Amino acid sequence: GQNIDQPTEMTATEGAIVQINCTYQTSGFNGLFWYQQHAGEAPTFLSYNVLDGLEEKGRFSSFLSRSKGYSYLLLKELQMKDSASYLCAVVDSNYQLIWGAGTKLIIKP
Amino acid sequence: IAGITQAPTSQILAAGRRMTLRCTQDMRHNAMYWYRQDLGLGLRLIHYSNTAGTTGKGEVPDGYSVSRANTDDFPLTLASAVPSQTSVYFCASSPGEGTDTQYFGPGTRLTVL
Repeated sequence: GQNIDQPTEMTATEGAIVQINCTYQTSGFNGLFWYQQHAGEAPTFLSYNVLDGLEEKGRFSSFLSRSKGYSYLLLKELQMKDSASYLCAVVDSNYQLIWGAGTKLIIKP
Repeated sequence: IAGITQAPTSQILAAGRRMTLRCTQDMRHNAMYWYRQDLGLGLRLIHYSNTAGTTGKGEVPDGYSVSRANTDDFPLTLASAVPSQTSVYFCASSPGEGTDTQYFGPGTRLTVL
């Protein structure tokens, strides 16, 4: 079967750094997405990785290791507005997105 | 309009009733999708359309139907609603299939009693 694992919930402090992990077992791999979803809102695109390594985009970075079936999203200089759920999704061999259940990130002052 | 819109925003429906959720995009995207999102579960694909005139089944298609008469509109119909279809429904679109970024509508919160 296909499986995406993420922690259910994480807590971090404003101004700090947090790493949200995602591990996957899928039938094939054609890339990995990270989306942000604020409570009661739609998911919005953060990043896409298809090659191994770190991609940096402002305060957010995303890392991929295809051999380990592993990705993480790194958020620096946390702000209260970063309180949201972060969704990991893998493009499988049929070019369909398989979604993780999401990680709820709580930022405390 | 700009982007992707959904209607209604929320709806309470009696079991057994028929309901159509509307989705319209103005980005001229070829591909469109319907997902449901339930607490503790990831987004689950109900149906998709890679281009106008074609549709396909996703992970959880039973009890739902779709049509894609043109590029912009992708309605989702529940023929006879059941309580297990209580969920938040998101429509999304992407320029092409597969690895293209999907853009989501604001969602429809549906409660079936």
